[in-house]
Amino acid sequence: GESVGLHLPTLSVQEGDNSIINCAYSNSASDYFIWYKQESGKGPQFIIDIRSNMDKRQGQRVTVLLNKTVKHLSLQIAATQPGDSAVYFCAETRGGYSTLTFGKGTMLLVSP
Amino acid sequence: NAGVMQNPRHLVRRRGQEARLRCSPMKGHSHVYWYRQLPEEGLKFMVYLQKENIIDESGMPKERFSAEFPKEGPSILRIQQVVRGDSAAYFCASSPRVTDRGNEQFFGPGTRLTVL
Repeated sequence: GESVGLHLPTLSVQEGDNSIINCAYSNSASDYFIWYKQESGKGPQFIIDIRSNMDKRQGQRVTVLLNKTVKHLSLQIAATQPGDSAVYFCAETRGGYSTLTFGKGTMLLVSP
Repeated sequence: NAGVMQNPRHLVRRRGQEARLRCSPMKGHSHVYWYRQLPEEGLKFMVYLQKENIIDESGMPKERFSAEFPKEGPSILRIQQVVRGDSAAYFCASSPRVTDRGNEQFFGPGTRLTVL
């Protein structure tokens, strides 16, 4: 069946390091991917998105890479800060409206 | 411009009671989505509503759960005869139109339901 999942449940980094969070998906029909950040006690917050006709997209300090050959998605955070500590989810959608399928999540812990 | 509002933030119910969760979308948004999040899990889609219409309820359990989004007032997710397995965080999101753009959907802070 379709699924979106993550490789690492917890990632610990030092402040200033670059962080890479990975995500695998199984449905080749997925055409749009989103990364969300969820801080404790809050709802998911949009970070960055990418469509299946792209392989890279950059935002402020974040980059999303999409490898359709191996159905793999990654989120790169440059110069990670303590405020980046949160759970990060990838999500995908295939429909014309935004019913999202979320992965399980990776907790990012940033030490000062 | 207030974001998506959900209340209550925390709700405790005993088994067999009813739970009512409310979601007020952002101003100008007429599309509402409900998701459930179990501990250490990702969000699972439950239902998608527009004003007075249920568009997609493929993620809703067949029994005890219902949702509405009336012409006036907030969207309501209702869980009858709650069981311990219903304990979770319930998130609402809203958007201004039919869209798959992540930056056009906004999530509320969630309601954490605990069933004793």
